[in-house]
Amino acid sequence: EVQLVQSGAEVRKPGESLKISCKGSGYSFTNYWIGWVRQMPGKGLEWMGIIYCGDSDTRYSPSFQGQVTISADKSISTAYLQWSSLKASDTAMYYCARPTLVGGIIMWIDYWGQGTLVTVSS
Amino acid sequence: QSALTQPPSASGSPGQSVTISCTGTSSDVGNYNYVSWYQQHPGKAPKLMIYEVSKRPSGVPDRFSGSKSGNTASLTVSGLQAEDEADYYCSSYAGSNNLGVFGGGTKLTVL
Repeated sequence: EVQLVQSGAEVRKPGESLKISCKGSGYSFTNYWIGWVRQMPGKGLEWMGIIYCGDSDTRYSPSFQGQVTISADKSISTAYLQWSSLKASDTAMYYCARPTLVGGIIMWIDYWGQGTLVTVSS
Repeated sequence: QSALTQPPSASGSPGQSVTISCTGTSSDVGNYNYVSWYQQHPGKAPKLMIYEVSKRPSGVPDRFSGSKSGNTASLTVSGLQAEDEADYYCSSYAGSNNLGVFGGGTKLTVL
């Protein structure tokens, strides 16, 4: 059974750093992309970026380029999303997701993690 | 890239059918058959319901169907059931150098 299990909820102050994780199991981790999707309170879904877990090829949505870093450690089948300096506006639920890509195109998302709630407040 | 446009709410009584629209442009929905739909219950992760405009993943009831005309895609839920009450999001490929766009979401209420 394919599973994406995310790390638990986090509370941080503005300016602090944070790294959240997403562990894949039940499939060959290095043969797939993992993406991160943001959902701000009461709002819709937004692609942040994706990483190919085999070689760490990474692509970011323009809105998130330079704001976050996506990485992966294939030795432990885990992808990460990190911030170096959080802002209050980063408060959101963050989902990792395993999309299906064909010819470099994200076709759909087959599997989702359970979400990690990040709260940034002074 | 702007989000796709969905109505904020839709509703229907049990057993009825309801259709949710998703309007994009000729740069996304209108130009590609890569539209997908996701169901999200409160406090839960989204779930894939429709992919490639009208295909259903294994396990999704055939009460859910998708279609597209021009720049607008649609999700139809037939024979509404109480458990269909949820938020629904559409998504589309939007060209190279773009990871794709989502709609703003539609809250479906079963009356």
